[in-house]
Amino acid sequence: DTGVSQDPRHKITKRGQNVTFRCDPISEHNRLYWYRQTLGQGPEFLTYFQNEAQLEKSRLLSDRFSAERPKGSFSTLEIQRTEQGDSAMYLCASSSGGGGNEKLFFGSGTQLSVL
Amino acid sequence: QKEVEQNSGPLSVPEGAIASLNCTYSDRGSQSFFWYRQYSGKSPELIMFIYSNGDKEDGRFTAQLNKASQYVSLLIRDSQPSDSATYLCAVNERGYNKLIFGAGTRLAVHP
Repeated sequence: DTGVSQDPRHKITKRGQNVTFRCDPISEHNRLYWYRQTLGQGPEFLTYFQNEAQLEKSRLLSDRFSAERPKGSFSTLEIQRTEQGDSAMYLCASSSGGGGNEKLFFGSGTQLSVL
Repeated sequence: QKEVEQNSGPLSVPEGAIASLNCTYSDRGSQSFFWYRQYSGKSPELIMFIYSNGDKEDGRFTAQLNKASQYVSLLIRDSQPSDSATYLCAVNERGYNKLIFGAGTRLAVHP
């Protein structure tokens, strides 16, 4: 399977704990995106990387959130001191970059529940 | 704040009918437009993209774009119960390499 892979599929944590998610993009894709989606809403942009460089981060993103993409391959998204409002589906997507014509391909997502 | 607006639905159509899904966007400079299908509990799946004014057909799907009216639509011909899903409209934000998504329209195709 050469699609976008995310791990874990589900995460249940207690408020105040830290969590980390992993994303492995399609191998030839140099751009990687993180989105968050809550019930009844469309995906909301969080951040994106081109190779290992983090080029944009949403202004809505709390400083409790951090993302990395070492060596331009897989990426991790960490949430520190989780809050109940962080409960959502965290989606990773990748693209080959098309000069603005971005076709994003999504992974299966990580469903986070903060108790 | 750039916006992408969709009617949340549900849009209910009988099997075999044409389903018409609509989307408007606020950024006049947007250049790329995408339709994603999302089944309940699953991740979005790209089904159509369009860059130029007019129609683009792919099997039972037709995407229509009118940049002057800032309007993009998706037609699904011969709708099937398996088309029942949420359809997300996404727009490339001018000057940025990211997509802005609407909240989606829920489509229900009944036998």
